[in-house]
Amino acid sequence: GAVVSQHPSRVICKSGTSVKIECRSLDFQATTMFWYRQFPKQSLMLMATSNEGSKATYEQGVEKDKFLINHASLTLSTLTVTSAHPEDSSFYICSARSTGSYNEQFFGPGTRLTVL
Amino acid sequence: GEDVEQSLFLSVREGDSSVINCTYTDSSSTYLYWYKQEPGAGLQLLTYIFSNMDMKQDQRLTVLLNKKDKHLSLRIADTQTGDSAIYFCAENGDYKLSFGAGTTVTVRA
Repeated sequence: GAVVSQHPSRVICKSGTSVKIECRSLDFQATTMFWYRQFPKQSLMLMATSNEGSKATYEQGVEKDKFLINHASLTLSTLTVTSAHPEDSSFYICSARSTGSYNEQFFGPGTRLTVL
Repeated sequence: GEDVEQSLFLSVREGDSSVINCTYTDSSSTYLYWYKQEPGAGLQLLTYIFSNMDMKQDQRLTVLLNKKDKHLSLRIADTQTGDSAIYFCAENGDYKLSFGAGTTVTVRA
């Protein structure tokens, strides 16, 4: 099946720094990638939809200047958490959508961000 | 997500069947999905069902869809310890997936 990777898998940073998370589709081209945030014991909340070569579409309540998304190629999207604060600590998961018959989303393994 | 609801916990004895229930609100959903999440990991697609189907069976997994009641269920036959995980149902309304809060399945010996 299609594989999506994320890097890093875990990151600990100081408050006020910026953190970049990469999401790659390894064996397929993904015109659309999604970024989710998951709090402990809760569901995935869609943050933004990233289309290759265009600006990301952010969900209501998600600060676009806080969470910068770049989808520069058909296999790579990045999420940068700018000026991170402890409340940004969370599990961030990306997914990539192939152009299969039912547009399945393939999920990455997630990135655990801890802001001290 | 508020549009998809699931029971939060299920405890089942090893070897028994597990049934996880889900209700959704978007009648235009084309596909409905079941995902599995193990601790500290991403989501793994278990199975999906097209909205014009009532049932789909895939080895130990059986999905039932009642479109009239907007009710989806996942049955896992002969539940094993490796089935312990969080299970999410999801619907694809518009362009995005909406997830339920997840059902934590605990398999006891």
